[in-house]
Parts: sequence; C-alpha cells; structure tokens
Amino acid sequence: TQLLEQSPQFLSIQEGENLTVYCNSSSVFSSLQWYRQEPGEGPVLLVTVVTGGEVKKLKRLTFQFGDARKDSSLHITAAQPGDTGLYLCAARLSGYALNFGKGTSLLVTP
Amino acid sequence: DVKVTQSSRYLVKRTGEKVFLECVQDMDHENMFWYRQDPGLGLRLIYFSYDVKMKEKGDIPEGYSVSREKKERFSLILESASTNQTSMYLCASSQPGQGWVGELFFGEGSRLTVL
Repeated sequence: TQLLEQSPQFLSIQEGENLTVYCNSSSVFSSLQWYRQEPGEGPVLLVTVVTGGEVKKLKRLTFQFGDARKDSSLHITAAQPGDTGLYLCAARLSGYALNFGKGTSLLVTP
Repeated sequence: DVKVTQSSRYLVKRTGEKVFLECVQDMDHENMFWYRQDPGLGLRLIYFSYDVKMKEKGDIPEGYSVSREKKERFSLILESASTNQTSMYLCASSQPGQGWVGELFFGEGSRLTVL
C-alpha cells in the first residue's frame, strides 16, 4: 500500500504554462516535504510544510498543506525548462524515516 | 557546503558477488539512510541508522545488510547480488529536529547493474 499517492505521474507542458501536482494520503502527518530530483542527481529539498492550511511560496512555486494535514499540492506558475525534473512528496509516518511518493515527472519544453 | 558522497556512481557486478556501497557525510548528522529508486516504484527505504552501530530495517531490507562503525560513514552490503537488485541506490543523511526527521541531504546515487 502506497502511503503517499502523487498525481499526475507524468506531465509534459510548454514553457509558460501553469501546472499543479498533488500528493494525497489517508494518514495525517505532522509535516510534509517536497523534493525535486534532476536527472543524475539526488533529490533536493524544496520546502517543508508543517501547519494545516499553510501556504508557502518559493519564487514561482506555491506549496499548500491541506487543512486536515493529509494532502498537499505544488503549483508552478509560468513553467520554465529549468523546472524539469521529478517532484517527490515525503512525510514521516512514525520513527526516523521518511516515506516518499512515487513522484511526478515533469518535462517543460521551450 | 554540505555533502553526502557515495563511493561509486556506476557499478556492474555479477550474480552472487558481494557488493559494498559506501556513503560518507561531512555534516555530523545523526541519521543516515539507504533508499533504492526504481521506475514506477519511487524511493523505497532499505535501512536507516540513527546512531553509530544502530540500525533499523526499512520497507525492503531483504537481501541487504548495513554497517555504521563511524558517525560519518554508512555502508550498504549486498551479500549475494541478484539481478532484481539492479537499481539506483541513494544514500541520505539528516539531523533530526523536534518531532520531525529533518531535511534529507542525498548523495548523487550509485547505479548498480547485476548481470
């Protein structure tokens, strides 16, 4: 059973378009993280959200944590080719380790 | 600059060989992790360690073991490699905070092919 469900699995868009990716669970989390992984690299943390209803902005990226702390979304405005990568959400169910979703693979073409 | 270094970017091994994947972090982090990443399956936790000589099984520990003799080094061992262990292996470290796991810092990954 996948703890974190991400959608869509793949997304191919043109430069300048907007997009939203989702991360859903039936579990409640104390915090949730988003990572981006570029080809040939390890994932890098983008943001951590900890409060239900929280919205965080990172330049053209907007992250939201659901009110019930079971889901999150990532919205990218005016996507650029440099946004291409695998976007992963991650949360801690218990203990020390993070569980990851399967990821959304984003391709932005010029 | 924080850094997690994995000893090999690419390895090719034969079925039955013993394989060592080494990971070193320079951030004095308490936690270290080994994940494997496969298309369509995402990142799956193999083992993690929260202190020297301490280890906990993750979601898929079968066929793997780990060693953490020093705080900065976490090794993943495949006692007898099999073709279904062909994968990308990612090492990560973190410093735990109050009630949360902290930011994971990943290495660049080790792509292992078992023939």
